[in-house]
Amino acid sequence: GAGVSQSPSNKVTEKGKDVELRCDPISGHTALYWYRQRLGQGLEFLIYFQGNSAPDKSGLPSDRFSAERTGESVSTLTIQRTQQEDSAVYLCASSLAPGPGPQHFGDGTRLSIL
Amino acid sequence: DAKTTQPPSMDCAEGRAANLPCNHSTISGNEYVYWYRQIHSQGPQYIIHGLKNNETNEMASLIITEDRKSSTLILPHATLRDTAVYYCIVRARHPTFSNDYKLSFGAGTTVTVRA
Repeated sequence: GAGVSQSPSNKVTEKGKDVELRCDPISGHTALYWYRQRLGQGLEFLIYFQGNSAPDKSGLPSDRFSAERTGESVSTLTIQRTQQEDSAVYLCASSLAPGPGPQHFGDGTRLSIL
Repeated sequence: DAKTTQPPSMDCAEGRAANLPCNHSTISGNEYVYWYRQIHSQGPQYIIHGLKNNETNEMASLIITEDRKSSTLILPHATLRDTAVYYCIVRARHPTFSNDYKLSFGAGTTVTVRA
């Protein structure tokens, strides 16, 4: 079946603009995760969804970042008033159930803030 | 989660088996060994995981020592597309023991497959 799909694959925008990043998880996966990965760095956890609820938003860097999930499927990560330090690859992953099981990743959205 | 130790890099000839070692001497009884990899410009990819028995899937084999303090990931016939950073991590066995769904990797092993 289809894997995790993210769009756009690349996004270049000017500082101060808002951006929306989309994630389509694997069908039937109840858990969805957003991570950020800066160049040459490890994974930085942002937020976790169980169904449409987000029990853990602790990784969101500031109130400019928000995310939602609808229909226990698609999720959108929104960054308002983007800053240059927001430049990174934003990765989405999904898993069958929450917890330590395998997470399946998309190829990410490469966000560049000019 | 228990810490893991991997060699920073290794080379492998195309078509040969690649054997990637990982030490996890402080692993506890409720922790699995997981392997992921990240090919350049792609998201991380789950490969395989195991508890104490050897495991095999379409991508690789995982050999875990009897004392569970180390393991080896085997790519049976390495191809150029297997060039990637490979990460060995340990994760709690049951969600009720841990809410540690936040995935994190160490430095991993950079594997370069050469023609």
